[in-house]
Amino acid sequence: DAKTTQPTSMDCAEGRAANLPCNHSTISGNEYVYWYRQIHSQGPQYIIHGLKNNETNEMASLIITEDRKSSTLILPHATLRDTAVYYCIVRVPSRNSGSARQLTFGSGTQLTVLP
Amino acid sequence: EPEVTQTPSHQVTQMGQEVILRCVPISNHLYFYWYRQILGQKVEFLVSFYNNEISEKSEIFDDQFSVERPDGSNFTLKIRSTKLEDSAMYFCASSEVVRHEQFFGPGTRLTVL
Repeated sequence: DAKTTQPTSMDCAEGRAANLPCNHSTISGNEYVYWYRQIHSQGPQYIIHGLKNNETNEMASLIITEDRKSSTLILPHATLRDTAVYYCIVRVPSRNSGSARQLTFGSGTQLTVLP
Repeated sequence: EPEVTQTPSHQVTQMGQEVILRCVPISNHLYFYWYRQILGQKVEFLVSFYNNEISEKSEIFDDQFSVERPDGSNFTLKIRSTKLEDSAMYFCASSEVVRHEQFFGPGTRLTVL
C-alpha cells in the first residue's frame, strides 16, 4: 500500500469548512484513497473513499488531484463533534483483491474544532 | 442501523492468563478483522479473516494469538498467555465483500497486570 503524509494537527473554527490535506505521491493505478476518523479512543469510523473522481457524501467531500498524488478531505461545516484524528489511507480494496485486506493507519491529523 | 458489537468492554487479567475477546460483526458481512491500539499509539492491524480462514496477518499476530468464527455470528480473538505489552484497546471490524468500508466496533480495553 502506498505511503501517505498528513499534517500532524490542524485547527478549524466551528461552522467553517475544514480542509484536511494528504499526500500520496507513490499511489498506483489500482489503489483507492480512503478517509477514516477516530474520535477519542472510539473505533475508527469510515468517512469516504475515491479512486480518481471527486466524491461527496453526507459527511464530507473528497477532492483528488488529477495526477492522484494528493487529496483533500473537506468537512463543509465543522462542528465540535468533528474533533478527531483523521486518517488518509491508500490501498487496493478487498473487493478487487479477493481477500480481506487490512487498513494501515498512520498517525493521521488531529483536527480540533474550536468554538 | 446495524453495528459491530464487542464484549466485554473492559477485561482485566493477570499476566500468563488466556483471554477471549468477542465480536459480533454486522450480519451480512463476510470480511472480519482485528486491530489493536496501545494507549497513545497508532491503530495496528492484527489479522483478517474470510471464508473461514486467515487472509492476512501482521507480525504482531504470533502463535499466542488465534481467531475463530465458532458459529454464524461470533468472531473471537484468543490470546493464550497474555503479556503486559498486550494491554491495549482491541477493535473488531467487518465489511461486505462488494463494498469498501470497514465498520469498527467500540473496542475492548484489555488490561494485563
